[in-house]
Amino acid sequence: AAGVIQSPRHLIKEKRETATLKCYPIPRHDTVYWYQQGPGQDPQFLISFYEKMQSDKGSIPDRFSAQQFSDYHSELNMSSLELGDSALYFCASSLERGVNTGELFFGEGSRLTVL
Amino acid sequence: LAKTTQPISMDSYEGQEVNITCSHNNIATNDYITWYQQFPSQGPRFIIQGYKTKVTNEVASLFIPADRKSSTLSLPRVSLSDTAVYYCLVGDIGYSTLTFGKGTMLLVSP
Repeated sequence: AAGVIQSPRHLIKEKRETATLKCYPIPRHDTVYWYQQGPGQDPQFLISFYEKMQSDKGSIPDRFSAQQFSDYHSELNMSSLELGDSALYFCASSLERGVNTGELFFGEGSRLTVL
Repeated sequence: LAKTTQPISMDSYEGQEVNITCSHNNIATNDYITWYQQFPSQGPRFIIQGYKTKVTNEVASLFIPADRKSSTLSLPRVSLSDTAVYYCLVGDIGYSTLTFGKGTMLLVSP
């Protein structure tokens, strides 16, 4: 069965650089979530989109932005990278909000290392 | 969103039953209880979900008392591959984003 696809799987950047992570949800899933998980930390919710509109916002820094495109894939843009941004970034998708079972399907994550 | 409290860690041996309890004293009427499992460097994976009483699937059972202020995830006959972090999440599914709290690190030994 198709799963959530994230790219790139690994990314190394220097401080103050920018990075873009991509997420391709499971077909027919129209809701996408982004989570950040630092070393030894629990996943922290960043932002979510439903039908290409932002639906919830969590602890996403102002330096980060995200959007969902017409094909439902999503991109997380991170600028002015800091050492503390080094983390695993997970994307998850689900069926339509309001009718789903609450089950989120997570991708394998993108590991960002900021040097 | 209801806050959850779980043990930081638990130890078990292969073949034993493991019960992980989660406290959620402020659970709201519309909230469901969902458990996720996460292996190192992998995305969390849905295990089970319930609203009240008992729910069972091929992987685990979820026990929820009548007051719903706590829930217990039961893993029968654990194996080494069940070593992972287990998260209890509480929220109004479909309408609010589920947030992860501090999970329980389960270590299964031979």
